[in-house]
Formats: sequence, C-alpha cells, structure tokens
Amino acid sequence: AQSVTQLDSQVPVFEEAPVELRCNYSSSVSVYLFWYVQYPNQGLQLLLKYLSGSTLVKGINGFEAEFNKSQTSFHLRKPSVHISDTAEYFCAVSPSGNTGKLIFGQGTTLQVKP
Amino acid sequence: NAGVTQTPKFRVLKTGQSMTLLCAQDMNHEYMYWYRQDPGMGLRLIHYSVGEGTTAKGEVPDGYNVSRLKKQNFLLGLESAAPSQTSVYFCASRPDRGYGELFFGEGSRLTVL
Repeated sequence: AQSVTQLDSQVPVFEEAPVELRCNYSSSVSVYLFWYVQYPNQGLQLLLKYLSGSTLVKGINGFEAEFNKSQTSFHLRKPSVHISDTAEYFCAVSPSGNTGKLIFGQGTTLQVKP
Repeated sequence: NAGVTQTPKFRVLKTGQSMTLLCAQDMNHEYMYWYRQDPGMGLRLIHYSVGEGTTAKGEVPDGYNVSRLKKQNFLLGLESAAPSQTSVYFCASRPDRGYGELFFGEGSRLTVL
C-alpha cells in the first residue's frame, strides 16, 4: 500500500528565512504528488502538484517542490517566508487509477516567527 | 462562488446518538469524498463516490454510512456515535477528468461525549 511520510511535525522559522518541508512516499508505480495548505479554521487548498514532466514544480505564494524519483521524495521549499505562511502543510499521493483518492501525510505545521 | 459547503459546521453529540453531515457542491463535479482529520494523523478517507448513486469505502469506513442520491450532495451518517468519532470532517469534490485538485469544504467539527 502506498504511504506518505512527512518527516517533521513542526518547523519553526524566522520571517524572511528559507524553509524546506520534507515529504517521502512509498510506491512501486508511477504516482501523482501534491502539496496542500490549511490555514487556521479553513479547508485545504492546493499549493502545487506533480503529474509528469519537469521535476521542479512551481506553485502559488512562491512555493516550489522537487520530485526525486530515486529518493521517492517531494520536498516543498520557499526561499523567503512570510508571517502569512504560518499554516499546516500536507503532502499527498494519488494511487494508480482515476478515482482521485488522495493519501495524505501527517502534516507539518510551519510556524513563522517575526 | 459557494464551491463546497458543509453543514453543520459544529455539532456536539452524546454517545449513541445519530446524525448526518451534509456536503453540497455547485461545480457539477462527479467525484466526492469524505475525510476525517485527527491531530498527527493527517486526513484519512472515510468513503467516496465516483458519481450519482455510487459509493465506495475508503481507509476508515467503520461506523459511517454515506449516500449520493443527487449529484451535488454527499451525505455522511453516523448511526451510533462513539467518542472515537470526535474529529474534524472534510468533504471534497473534483471533476471527473484529470488528476489533481480536490476542492475542500471548510470542515465540520464533531464532538462526541
């Protein structure tokens, strides 16, 4: 069965510093990968997705992620964070087939400090 | 744009009571999903539907039932609530084509005493 592991439950960082949120997945077949963000008391919204093609994917709000097939990773990065980036971030993988089911990681809370 | 709307947003139940969560989407999406979110566990799929009149079990279906009588609505029922069902429930939908974006509701916080 496919699974997703987010290696850090909390990541504290100062404003304007770079950040990396780590995500590893387990799968023996091709997968589609996603990062979602959840702001306090809200639903999830899509940050970016990898379906195929370039392994460097750019998303909204200055975030980007790099798909690394050999290391089965899909780490999320931002070169300079803002206070408004404080939120919970979820990595997700879509199993084969077109039911659209997503398997989510445990989530990483990004805490941006002034 | 309403998108995905969940009702109610908050509910407190006593053990053994029943209730239904309603999810409504106005985007004409084929696929709909119910997830639960618990601290440290991410989101786990309860049930899903690939079209009107269809339902299927997800990762954690026990204790829940669902119905998709109308394309725009996906109902999640708890027949006999248990404290282990205290959680935040999210509904999501997506079009039938392509991979990717699920559109989520704002969540329904359920507490079972």
